[in-house]
Amino acid sequence: EPEVTQTPSHQVTQMGQEVILRCVPISNHLYFYWYRQILGQKVEFLVSFYNNEISEKSEIFDDQFSVERPDGSNFTLKIRSTKLEDSAMYFCASSDRGLGYTFGSGTRLTVV
Amino acid sequence: LAKTTQPISMDSYEGQEVNITCSHNNIATNDYITWYQQFPSQGPRFIIQGYKTKVTNEVASLFIPADRKSSTLSLPRVSLSDTAVYYCLVGDMGGGGSQGNLIFGKGTKLSVKP
Repeated sequence: EPEVTQTPSHQVTQMGQEVILRCVPISNHLYFYWYRQILGQKVEFLVSFYNNEISEKSEIFDDQFSVERPDGSNFTLKIRSTKLEDSAMYFCASSDRGLGYTFGSGTRLTVV
Repeated sequence: LAKTTQPISMDSYEGQEVNITCSHNNIATNDYITWYQQFPSQGPRFIIQGYKTKVTNEVASLFIPADRKSSTLSLPRVSLSDTAVYYCLVGDMGGGGSQGNLIFGKGTKLSVKP
């Protein structure tokens, strides 16, 4: 079964540092997403990406966040200057809009 | 996006059938109903999707009445490994809103006991 792959599985970073979370979506999917889940809370939408541009973003996705699809396989989320409240599980997902979304296993980001 | 309401938690025993009902009174004509499962520290996993009547796959069944204002996810003969949070989402195919983005509620935490 095709998978969405995320790396790293865990990332610890100091406040104010930049982090890049990486994702390899399913190869024939066209829509890509980032979600996050703070411990014990709901899964929250961050951003959707289609045709090499952002389709929609939430209030959470402020100027500290950016996404990129640098090549034909990777999809990255960058947090420019991390804050303590950015600590969460970050999930990448992809879809072809017809058959449901496939999520990765997530990256646990801890900002200290 | 149609708002969904589902129980916060449910308990069951191994071997039982579990039915989780979701209310979505404001469902739109073009909306589909999609259910996801999430284990701790893992991403949500697509279980089943339907528009009306009944849908069945190898994992679950989804029952949708004619008015589509609610739906019931049915898990046959649950095991301990079915302990997870189950989310009901309503929107376009994929489970999201106009842009196809998924909006998750708090879900139903199912606990399966031996």
